[in-house]
Amino acid sequence: AQRVTQPEKLLSVFKGAPVELKCNYSYSGSPELFWYVQYSRQRLQLLLRHISRESIKGFTADLNKGETSFHLKKPFAQEEDSAMYYCALSGSNDYKLSFGAGTTVTVRA
Amino acid sequence: DTGVSQDPRHKITKRGQNVTFRCDPISEHNRLYWYRQTLGQGPEFLTYFQNEAQLEKSRLLSDRFSAERPKGSFSTLEIQRTEQGDSAMYLCASTLAEVPDTQYFGPGTRLTVL
Repeated sequence: AQRVTQPEKLLSVFKGAPVELKCNYSYSGSPELFWYVQYSRQRLQLLLRHISRESIKGFTADLNKGETSFHLKKPFAQEEDSAMYYCALSGSNDYKLSFGAGTTVTVRA
Repeated sequence: DTGVSQDPRHKITKRGQNVTFRCDPISEHNRLYWYRQTLGQGPEFLTYFQNEAQLEKSRLLSDRFSAERPKGSFSTLEIQRTEQGDSAMYLCASTLAEVPDTQYFGPGTRLTVL
């Protein structure tokens, strides 16, 4: 069975402080891992794909297969980072996504 | 092309009524996904199409739910004999065959069953 766990429902940080969103998963096989973000009054959109190994808006995420984790990090949070963040996984064939419950991030000035 | 669109954006219905939602994917996107999201949870996969073929349906999709994608363009999701537990946000997403791992989501249809 595949499952994505985001242990933090809410995360509040000060502007300029580091932020880390935790994501753990279970999957039989080699999944594709993603972070999706939903800003206020906007639609859900892709932030990162693990396969790209890229940094988007200052965010990075490292896939740790040993710990089955895909934590999202940013060294210096900005107010515009306030949003709902979802960790998700899929197989590499159908790409149907399994989402975690999400973490609401609030960046305070 | 303004992205994936969904209609209606909001639907309020009485228990036992039938409802139908429409999703228009981005042009030339051959895969189309439906998800359902309830309060405090992430989206849950319901079903997906590749062109006009429905390739998979989740166990969440009871017999009261049916989805179609005639001609491989827009898709409809129908719920028959709605129940209060069907109240949720219904999301549609589409992908391009060349970039299957990037899903573009619509704004969703919020269903409230009274």
